[in-house]
Amino acid sequence: AQSVTQLGSHVSVSEGALVLLRCNYSSSVPPYLFWYVQYPNQGLQLLLKYTTGATLVKGINGFEAEFKKSETSFHLTKPSAHMSDAAEYFCAAPYSSASKIIFGSGTRLSIRP
Amino acid sequence: SQTIHQWPATLVQPVGSPLSLECTVEGTSNPNLYWYRQAAGRGLQLLFYSVGIGQISSEVPQNLSASRPQDRQFILSSKKLLLSDSGFYLCAWSVNGQAAYGYTFGSGTRLTVV
Repeated sequence: AQSVTQLGSHVSVSEGALVLLRCNYSSSVPPYLFWYVQYPNQGLQLLLKYTTGATLVKGINGFEAEFKKSETSFHLTKPSAHMSDAAEYFCAAPYSSASKIIFGSGTRLSIRP
Repeated sequence: SQTIHQWPATLVQPVGSPLSLECTVEGTSNPNLYWYRQAAGRGLQLLFYSVGIGQISSEVPQNLSASRPQDRQFILSSKKLLLSDSGFYLCAWSVNGQAAYGYTFGSGTRLTVV
């Protein structure tokens, strides 16, 4: 079955520390992958996406993610966390039909001063 | 450029009352349209999606219904709200048949059923 799995429902890091949010996908999904960010009481905003080409994808707000086919992973990283990064992050991938997208269960990122 | 509008932003409704949430997209034609719900502390649940006027696919049997009366308009409705219908409702659109583009989301409606 197609699936997107986010490891860790809640991640807490200190301001200035490395952010690592994990996402694994089932190998049956098409090779398009997304990370979305949701701030409280707002809609989801596209952070970055992988479609084809370079496997290291850079997004907004200093985030990047690396597509690793051999590991079926698409982990999100940021070298130095900022207080404004506190939000919910969702990894996503399309179903094979291309009409729908599967979302992971989300990871809430908290930043400690 | 394409924009998506969703309203109202917040809504407090009594149990048993009707519901109508509206979503419109501008700057594109024949989009795929979606309704999602987020219950408190939970992930995104796909409720309905539509690939064209009058074409609605329901993902979860429930107290809600959806309609697409125009190409860029998507409406979420209920005849009688339940307490369990409370949540954050999100509308989204995508380019028809183009998964690589991902979704664009509206700003959401916070529904509280009392």
